[in-house]
Amino acid sequence: AQTVTQSQPEMSVQEAETVTLSCTYDTSESDYYLFWYKQPPSRQMILVIRQEAYKQQNATENRFSVNFQKAAKSFSLKISDSQLGDAAMYFCAYRSRGGGGADGLTFGKGTHLIIQP
Amino acid sequence: SQTIHQWPATLVQPVGSPLSLECTVEGTSNPNLYWYRQAAGRGLQLLFYSVGIGQISSEVPQNLSASRPQDRQFILSSKKLLLSDSGFYLCAWSVGISPLHFGNGTRLTVT
Repeated sequence: AQTVTQSQPEMSVQEAETVTLSCTYDTSESDYYLFWYKQPPSRQMILVIRQEAYKQQNATENRFSVNFQKAAKSFSLKISDSQLGDAAMYFCAYRSRGGGGADGLTFGKGTHLIIQP
Repeated sequence: SQTIHQWPATLVQPVGSPLSLECTVEGTSNPNLYWYRQAAGRGLQLLFYSVGIGQISSEVPQNLSASRPQDRQFILSSKKLLLSDSGFYLCAWSVGISPLHFGNGTRLTVT
């Protein structure tokens, strides 16, 4: 079974600065997907960014980018120019490609990101 | 476009009472459907998933059950709630290996 570990329960950053959230995972599979989801106080789960394991290029979405290190099984999220609206819980998640991914996502325990004005 | 509806948003139930949470998806056919639970201060735990009508897979033995009576309807039930069933319940859908899309969740408090 796959596991996802987020070693930072809480992170704090000054507004407009850059912050990196860490995520490591354990799997014996070679083809899979990785995601970062954001959960603001409303508790809505919002997809931030996705990475396909067979793609070496790191995914980017505006101010959000990832550092995907497949050999190290590491998938960190970098948020540039942090904004107050970025304050939320951030969850790293793994999805197997096998079986059409029907069995859903495996989540880490989350990192609470605080933005200091 | 696809939308997911989950209700109720908030529920307070006494121990031993039954539970029924409902989730429906619009704008897509034959989605994979999921129920997750998020306990306070913790990550999301997959409870059930379904790849089709009447097909339910359980991830964790527990006091809950799920059913899929229609293609885009997913129901989470319990005959007798326990205090430990309190939490935030999220329904989600996906098609194939696309990302999961989540409903707004139900906050369940068992008293």
